[in-house]
Amino acid sequence: NAGVMQNPRHLVRRRGQEARLRCSPMKGHSHVYWYRQLPEEGLKFMVYLQKENIIDESGMPKERFSAEFPKEGPSILRIQQVVRGDSAAYFCASSRDPRSGNEQFFGPGTRLTVL
Amino acid sequence: QQQVKQSPQSLIVQKGGISIINCAYENTAFDYFPWYQQFPGKGPALLIAIRPDVSEKKEGRFTISFNKSAKQFSLHIMDSQPGDSATYFCAADFRRGSTLGRLYFGRGTQLTVWP
Repeated sequence: NAGVMQNPRHLVRRRGQEARLRCSPMKGHSHVYWYRQLPEEGLKFMVYLQKENIIDESGMPKERFSAEFPKEGPSILRIQQVVRGDSAAYFCASSRDPRSGNEQFFGPGTRLTVL
Repeated sequence: QQQVKQSPQSLIVQKGGISIINCAYENTAFDYFPWYQQFPGKGPALLIAIRPDVSEKKEGRFTISFNKSAKQFSLHIMDSQPGDSATYFCAADFRRGSTLGRLYFGRGTQLTVWP
């Protein structure tokens, strides 16, 4: 019973390039959350998606960042024209319906380094 | 604005001792309080969680104490072991409303247990 999968685990990009981070939720989970973790800080919520829908994107910067969770395939967090400040660990979590009190399970993260 | 404040930032405890990590929150609408454990290079893993209708929850060596009137909750690790050395995050969540599903994290406490 695989947990939340994220890839790549490490990603290096130069300023101005695009970063594409993937997340496959646990089996049976249709709710996905993305968080960003800066060094020495806790995780900050970015976006909450359900299949084909963005539920809450209030934590995601309005520019350069986008997220999707298509009917088929993994959830994608896309960062266009990356800058050094985007360097962080990006974690994906998944759950069953949170209204039923279901827990969020986290993946191992993608560590993005922008040169 | 940090909705969940966590202290201390780091903690050193002798093997067999009690580790205590404290968190305080602002928003009285929070109704779910999980603690996560994170090892270096890994994603956060749910350790234990509590709802505000109980004042204490115990699972093995881990206990959450919850003080609703003071808007504080704490994690106690009894008989601390070197394997408990990790970063611990408290968090809070709404299980109702428009921000359902979004976890608010504290900044984390780095626990070191000396053998």
